Amino acid sequence: AQSVAQPEDQVNVAEGNPLTVKCTYSVSGNPYLFWYVQYPNRGLQFLLKYITGDNLVKGSYGFEAEFNKSQTSFHLKKPSALVSDSALYFCAVRDRDNNNDMRFGAGTRLTVKP
Amino acid sequence: NAGVTQTPKFQVLKTGQSMTLQCAQDMNHEYMSWYRQDPGMGLRLIHYSVGAGITDQGEVPNGYNVSRSTTEDFPLRLLSAAPSQTSVYFCASSYSSGRFSGNTIYFGEGSWLTVV
Repeated sequence: AQSVAQPEDQVNVAEGNPLTVKCTYSVSGNPYLFWYVQYPNRGLQFLLKYITGDNLVKGSYGFEAEFNKSQTSFHLKKPSALVSDSALYFCAVRDRDNNNDMRFGAGTRLTVKP
Repeated sequence: NAGVTQTPKFQVLKTGQSMTLQCAQDMNHEYMSWYRQDPGMGLRLIHYSVGAGITDQGEVPNGYNVSRSTTEDFPLRLLSAAPSQTSVYFCASSYSSGRFSGNTIYFGEGSWLTVV
């Protein structure tokens, strides 16, 4: 079965600095990888996904993520953080051979300070 | 286009009571699912459906029932509520899985359930 690890419960960055939210995954085959963001008392919003092709994926709000097969990672990045980026971020993986089961990480809380 | 709509948003139940969380989507998505979100555990899949009349269990199905009589609706029933079912519940949908399993899943706004 697939699984996702987000090794940091909390990430703190200063506004204007680059940010990275880490994600590693485990699947038996090839993965589909996703990032979602959750603002307080709201549902999850889709940010970006890796399906195939270019390892660098660009998504909403200036976020991007790089698929690294050798390190089984899919870290979320943004060159310049905004205070409004403060939220809970979830990485998720879906095994291409088990199409109905999407697994989520435990989430990383990002706080961007002015 | 409302997307995925969940009701109620907040609910308090007594232990042993039953209730149904409603979920509807207007995007003609074949795939629908229910997750629960607990602190430090991310989202865990309860049940899912790949089309009307078809449902299957996810990671944590015990204590919950689902049915899918129409494409649009996917209600989640708590049979006899327990304090361990205190959680935030999210309904989600996407175009069909199968060979399109890279499709994005869209979430509702959540239902906060407290069992006392």
